[in-house]
Amino acid sequence: DAGVTQSPTHLIKTRGQHVTLRCSPISGHKSVSWYQQVLGQGPQFIFQYYEKEERGRGNFPDRFSARQFPNYSSELNVNALLLGDSALYLCASSPGSTNTGELFFGEGSRLTVL
Amino acid sequence: GENVEQHPSTLSVQEGDSAVIKCTYSDSASNYFPWYKQELGKRPQLIIDIRSNVGEKKDQRIAVTLNKTAKHFSLHITETQPEDSAVYFCAASRGSGYSTLTFGKGTMLLVSP
Repeated sequence: DAGVTQSPTHLIKTRGQHVTLRCSPISGHKSVSWYQQVLGQGPQFIFQYYEKEERGRGNFPDRFSARQFPNYSSELNVNALLLGDSALYLCASSPGSTNTGELFFGEGSRLTVL
Repeated sequence: GENVEQHPSTLSVQEGDSAVIKCTYSDSASNYFPWYKQELGKRPQLIIDIRSNVGEKKDQRIAVTLNKTAKHFSLHITETQPEDSAVYFCAASRGSGYSTLTFGKGTMLLVSP
C-alpha cells in the first residue's frame, strides 16, 4: 500500500510569489492535515480537512489556504511568500472521524523562499 | 490551546546506555500521546504511543510512561544503538478524529559507538 505522497519534494521560490503543495492520503483515509516544520522545531498545525470540509485551523495568516478534493487529496496554497515561510510542509492523513488520533505523515515538501 | 514542553533539547549517550526524554502538557483533556522519530531529511515516524487509560507501554527497547495527574509523559530507550540517533518529538492531542497534534520542540539524540 502506498503511504502519504506529497509533491513537489523540493521547491525554491522568491518573496511575494505563490506556491501550491499537493498531498494524496493513504487509500481509505478521509482526513488530511497540514503541518509546517521550521528547521529545528516541531511540526506546527496549519489545517485539517475531513470530507472536504475544514475541521480545524492553526494560528497562521490568511495567506495560507487549503482545500480537499472529492478523492480526499488536498492542496495547500501560500500567497505572498515571506522568507519566514521557508520550511518543511508535512501532510498527514488519518482514517477520519472514528480515528483515535494517529497520523501518518508524508515525506514533506521542502520550501525555500529567497 | 495545548502547550507541550519537551526536554532536553539535546542528549548524548554512549552505545548501550539508556536515554530518557520528558514532556509536559497543559490541556487536561488530552488523552493521546505519541512519540515520533525523525531522521535527517525524513518524515516523522510514529515509534510508540500511549493513551490516557494506560500508565505504561513497552515495545522491545522503547517504553513510554504517562502520569496524567502531573501531566507529563516520558520516552525511555534502553540499550541504545547508533541507529537510534535522530530527533524525537513528543506530541499530545484529544485523541479524536478531529483533534490535532501539538508537538514539542524535539530532542536530538546522539548515540556514540
